[in-house]
Amino acid sequence: QKEVEQNSGPLSVPEGAIASLNCTYSDRVSQSFFWYRQYSGKSPELIMSIYSNGDKEDGRFTAQLNKASQYVSLLIRDSQPSDSATYLCAVVNFNKFYFGSGTKLNVKP
Amino acid sequence: KAGVTQTPRYLIKTRGQQVTLSCSPISGHRSVSWYQQTPGQGLQFLFEYFSETQRNKGNFPGRFSGRQFSNSRSEMNVSTLELGDSALYLCASSLGVTGNDGYTFGSGTRLTVV
Repeated sequence: QKEVEQNSGPLSVPEGAIASLNCTYSDRVSQSFFWYRQYSGKSPELIMSIYSNGDKEDGRFTAQLNKASQYVSLLIRDSQPSDSATYLCAVVNFNKFYFGSGTKLNVKP
Repeated sequence: KAGVTQTPRYLIKTRGQQVTLSCSPISGHRSVSWYQQTPGQGLQFLFEYFSETQRNKGNFPGRFSGRQFSNSRSEMNVSTLELGDSALYLCASSLGVTGNDGYTFGSGTRLTVV
């Protein structure tokens, strides 16, 4: 079993819709959770971090963490074509980072 | 504040050769990690250095090695290159004390082995 699982997609949403990206992790003691965005041919860029249960909002992005169910999600409101990218979930256990394989998001104009 | 700097950006090498890639972390960051990214495999963890010590290591053969200097700059070396080593090599830095601060990635070095 992989430490971090993501649906590879592609997830297609129309412009202006809410995109919902999900991630599950296997180790209950995981401490920190991150979402990265990676455009084709570019390096990953940190967009959200979350450390405790609940929601964390930053602009159009909301990260949700449920430690009991061991999942993390990222909601993107009012999706724009510029949000089209691969989104990587990362989970940290005692300084070891585990990345999911990423979900490709396509936002259609 | 300068970001993570990786050099060179592009490299073309021949099978059997060796290569050294360089990474300068963000000032004050003590942890440097290296990843290999290929289209089919996603991000594969190579190793992590913290204060000049290898703290974590991924499942790569011994041809892949690295080191970190006292100024936190890091190098990785791949010897006896194989065609399958063609990939984007990413360096990421963090403060590294707890892992709670997340990584900042460099732009990567794209290695092509012919």
